[in-house]
Amino acid sequence: DTEVTQTPKHLVMGMTNKKSLKCEQHMGHRAMYWYKQKAKKPPELMFVYSYEKLSINESVPSRFSPECPNSSLLNLHLHALQPEDSALYLCASSQGLLAGPRETQYFGPGTRLLVL
Amino acid sequence: DAKTTQPNSMESNEEEPVHLPCNHSTISGTDYIHWYRQLPSQGPEYVIHGLTSNVNNRMASLAIAEDRKSSTLILHRATLRDAAVYYCIQRSGGTSYGKLTFGQGTILTVHP
Repeated sequence: DTEVTQTPKHLVMGMTNKKSLKCEQHMGHRAMYWYKQKAKKPPELMFVYSYEKLSINESVPSRFSPECPNSSLLNLHLHALQPEDSALYLCASSQGLLAGPRETQYFGPGTRLLVL
Repeated sequence: DAKTTQPNSMESNEEEPVHLPCNHSTISGTDYIHWYRQLPSQGPEYVIHGLTSNVNNRMASLAIAEDRKSSTLILHRATLRDAAVYYCIQRSGGTSYGKLTFGQGTILTVHP
């Protein structure tokens, strides 16, 4: 199983709502990632978790709150988002950061978020 | 990850080879070159990676220049399913090696 799954596929939320995005992998990977991709732009890294601990936060606003409850699961909690946060949110996983620059990442299909 | 330079777009005909170039003039001795592609409405997908010598896998070949300042992704026989954005990424070691820094990529159009 080389799949990264993400739910939901689509999400519409108001600026006062609280919602969560979910990502799951069963490849035994110990590093997981959140990326944000605006339309016609490349993905941009938001967070990296390594062995369930946050290792990189790319200065993401606090209205995005990541959580890694276990090695297979990664959540992104959303609160008080702005319309400009509308984007495709991609989750990825990899074997573990100790593999260094040879390591490859496996991406999910993304959650398309619209903030009204 | 350092910046790479790719053409904005390229076109190919089905069943013909495609050569996608990438410049990475600031590459250091331990940096790897990775290629990912993103098909429409999907997440990025790993294609291939290499350090110094040419690499082949079932999807593509990667030809790395002798001075390592450029590389070429080769799709031997393009199909319509290969139409995607192709990203060339220079990956460094160190504390930031968890990061994939995507450039603008090359939009590949394949004509039937």
